[in-house]
Amino acid sequence: NAGVMQNPRHLVRRRGQEARLRCSPMKGHSHVYWYRQLPEEGLKFMVYLQKENIIDESGMPKERFSAEFPKEGPSILRIQQVVRGDSAAYFCASSPDRAYEQYFGPGTRLTVT
Amino acid sequence: GESVGLHLPTLSVQEGDNSIINCAYSNSASDYFIWYKQESGKGPQFIIDIRSNMDKRQGQRVTVLLNKTVKHLSLQIAATQPGDSAVYFCAENHSGNTPLVFGKGTRLSVIA
Repeated sequence: NAGVMQNPRHLVRRRGQEARLRCSPMKGHSHVYWYRQLPEEGLKFMVYLQKENIIDESGMPKERFSAEFPKEGPSILRIQQVVRGDSAAYFCASSPDRAYEQYFGPGTRLTVT
Repeated sequence: GESVGLHLPTLSVQEGDNSIINCAYSNSASDYFIWYKQESGKGPQFIIDIRSNMDKRQGQRVTVLLNKTVKHLSLQIAATQPGDSAVYFCAENHSGNTPLVFGKGTRLSVIA
């Protein structure tokens, strides 16, 4: 059973460009969470999605950031017009229904130059 | 606001000794706690969890203790090995399928 998959693992973007981060949850998991981690810090929650629905986006900046989890395909975290402050590691986690535990992917390290 | 935090940012231990990593939480509604291990360049890896109706839970070489009276969580690693070197995070949530709240992390360094 494959774990949570994320791609790309590393992404370099110039200021003003768009970044698209993908996450495929574990098989059978319908809940996806995105977290951001700055160097030497803990993970901060951004958004929680189920298939075709955003459940909680309280941790996501109101501007430039969006997320989706379509009926088919991976979950996408999209950052428009990236700025240097967006440089971080972005982790996706998934969980099955009515579960507490979350399983994390390897992360995407975004560098904005 | 509610938060989860750790007392010690770094911990160095001799190989073979036991390690104890501590965590304080403030959300009294939390009923589920997890310890994650994160190695450099990798995602958090689940180690052990505990529900609020328990005080202690043991795994392979690891034990988690929960003291609800003082809102304190600890991770004990027996016979620490070089492969245990990593950053350890505690996290909490409640009601299932809710976002995790992470502490800042403790870096464990094992001295051979």
